[in-house]
Amino acid sequence: QSVLTQPPSASGTPGQRVTISCSGSSSNIGRGYVYWYQQLPGTAPTVLIYRNDQRRPGVPDRFSGSKSGTSASLAIDGLRSEDEADYHCAMWDDSLSGWVFGGGTKLTVL
Amino acid sequence: QVQLVQSGAEVKKPGASVKVSCKASGYTFTHFFIHWLRQAPGQGLEWMGWINPSNGVTTSAQQFQGRVTMTRDTSISTAYVDLSRLKSADTAVYYCARSLMKDLYFDLWGRGTLVTVSS
Repeated sequence: QSVLTQPPSASGTPGQRVTISCSGSSSNIGRGYVYWYQQLPGTAPTVLIYRNDQRRPGVPDRFSGSKSGTSASLAIDGLRSEDEADYHCAMWDDSLSGWVFGGGTKLTVL
Repeated sequence: QVQLVQSGAEVKKPGASVKVSCKASGYTFTHFFIHWLRQAPGQGLEWMGWINPSNGVTTSAQQFQGRVTMTRDTSISTAYVDLSRLKSADTAVYYCARSLMKDLYFDLWGRGTLVTVSS
């Protein structure tokens, strides 16, 4: 059971906009920064978004992050086939003095 | 080349222990925290703990306390995670990853080490 909640799957067609949600509580998302990782098939994750809405250098501006209250979202505009991957939200939880993750969302490009 | 190179796959029996290594290269080993995470087949990521290579201080997630030991050897820029009393539920890919501070994102990952626990 993950501390943060993500939908297990999402899908879209090329060119579409897709949004992946990550929900938590006032003790985690409501208090800190959310990070988003992309995990391409068979590889280790890489960070896409840090501190809620900052793109890591080199990440296309098609990817954007946002946070409101106890939820966060990752949006992908102009969906491309190479975006097919697992997406994980994560954050540092001060009360646990450690990192917590969502269960991951598998994005399929139809 | 800046990288984290992990040891190879392991197969262990229930009740045994496993030790996975993570060798850093291309950067100053003691300047970054090393975290250990795992991913069971078809599941999400689970954070296990971190070690500060500069002083050896560690913190582990509550669900692993008493079973996990994280160490480092600064002379060879290598971090280790040792997980004891293995169960089938510990079958997973184990990753090491670095961060500049314990609560900053992981900017470099190893390629992962598959640990299979099976009788």
